[in-house]
Amino acid sequence: GIQVEQSPPDLILQEGANSTLRCNFSDSVNNLQWFHQNPWGQLINLFYIPSGTKQNGRLSATTVATERYSLLYISSSQTTDSGVYFCAGGVHGSSNTGKLIFGQGTTLQVKP
Amino acid sequence: GAGVSQSPSNKVTEKGKDVELRCDPISGHTALYWYRQSLGQGLEFLIYFQGNSAPDKSGLPSDRFSAERTGGSVSTLTIQRTQQEDSAVYLCASSLSGGENQPQHFGDGTRLSIL
Repeated sequence: GIQVEQSPPDLILQEGANSTLRCNFSDSVNNLQWFHQNPWGQLINLFYIPSGTKQNGRLSATTVATERYSLLYISSSQTTDSGVYFCAGGVHGSSNTGKLIFGQGTTLQVKP
Repeated sequence: GAGVSQSPSNKVTEKGKDVELRCDPISGHTALYWYRQSLGQGLEFLIYFQGNSAPDKSGLPSDRFSAERTGGSVSTLTIQRTQQEDSAVYLCASSLSGGENQPQHFGDGTRLSIL
């Protein structure tokens, strides 16, 4: 099956710093999405981004589908950005149901 | 509007008991997913429902696990004869429709602890 590799596994930032999180896929995927799991366990959909670039406030994401990777950019980080960031994608094919395969996540801690 | 609603938020039960977990998707969403998040395995797909189509049960780890979705809305995940390895957070998600090209929105999960 498809392997989803996220890097780095852990990241500590000082408030105000910028960062880039990366997600690599072992095969082509569809339905690529980024999620943030906050310290209370809530999983929030940040981006649906099968290709191209999207921006939402201080966050932006870029997916290069032909090279099987996606990047999540966090600018001017805040303590509320702390938590675990997951990328996930689905498998192409006629039987695809949209089920997502998740990476192991990047744990981000932003210090004041 | 309301998001995905799951209940109970926490469940502690003894090994061997049966448990039922409930998910109420976002209104108007026809696709519903169950995932499990555990320390050793990360986030894993369990089962998918889309309208009146047969569910995709390919992620269910054993025949002790089953799920149903009545009336195309609320879903119940049932675990029979629970084992300690079933301890995990069970997450439900919904999307506007199934298949590709749909963002999924998650509930807050049910934290299940098997004693």
